[in-house]
Amino acid sequence: AQTVTQSQPEMSVQEAETVTLSCTYDTSESDYYLFWYKQPPSRQMILVIRQEAYKQQNATENRFSVNFQKAAKSFSLKISDSQLGDAAMYFCAYRRRSGGSNYKLTFGKGTLLTVNP
Amino acid sequence: ETGVTQTPRHLVMGMTNKKSLKCEQHLGHNAMYWYKQSAKKPLELMFVYNFKEQTENNSVPSRFSPECPNSSHLFLHLHTLQPEDSALYLCASSQDSGTPTFNQPQHFGDGTRLSIL
Repeated sequence: AQTVTQSQPEMSVQEAETVTLSCTYDTSESDYYLFWYKQPPSRQMILVIRQEAYKQQNATENRFSVNFQKAAKSFSLKISDSQLGDAAMYFCAYRRRSGGSNYKLTFGKGTLLTVNP
Repeated sequence: ETGVTQTPRHLVMGMTNKKSLKCEQHLGHNAMYWYKQSAKKPLELMFVYNFKEQTENNSVPSRFSPECPNSSHLFLHLHTLQPEDSALYLCASSQDSGTPTFNQPQHFGDGTRLSIL
């Protein structure tokens, strides 16, 4: 079974600074997707960034980038130039790409990010 | 506008009540999901419907009964719930072709906050 671990229950960052949220996962699959979701107080889960495991290049979306280390099964999220609107709970998620039950997203417990003005 | 609408936003019910949660998506997706989000626990996938057919039931107690009358609507019928069922229930949708190589991220609604007295 796949598991996703976020070892930092809470993180804080100063506005305009950079913060890195960590995520590790365990799987026996070689082909899968990894995601970072953001859940602000409004509760909606918003997709921040996605990484395909077969791609070696790290995904980037504006101020958000990942450090994907497949051998180490590590998938950290870097937020540059942090803004007050980045404050939220961040979830790392895994989804297998092939075989049965390929719709299931497995989530970590989340990291609560606080942005200080 | 998230594209995925859940009603009600809040629900308080007794253990003997019967109620239903509703989810509607306006994105033209063909797969819909129910998740449970409890405090300090990872998001738990409950049910998956693809093309209106239930493709996954993640060992959910029978007091939760899903219904998917069409690809745009998803219900979760609740009956004789327990206090530990108090949680945020999130609905999501995605466009999945059914072939393992096609993947799109899931879009989430704002959730229904359920409290069992």
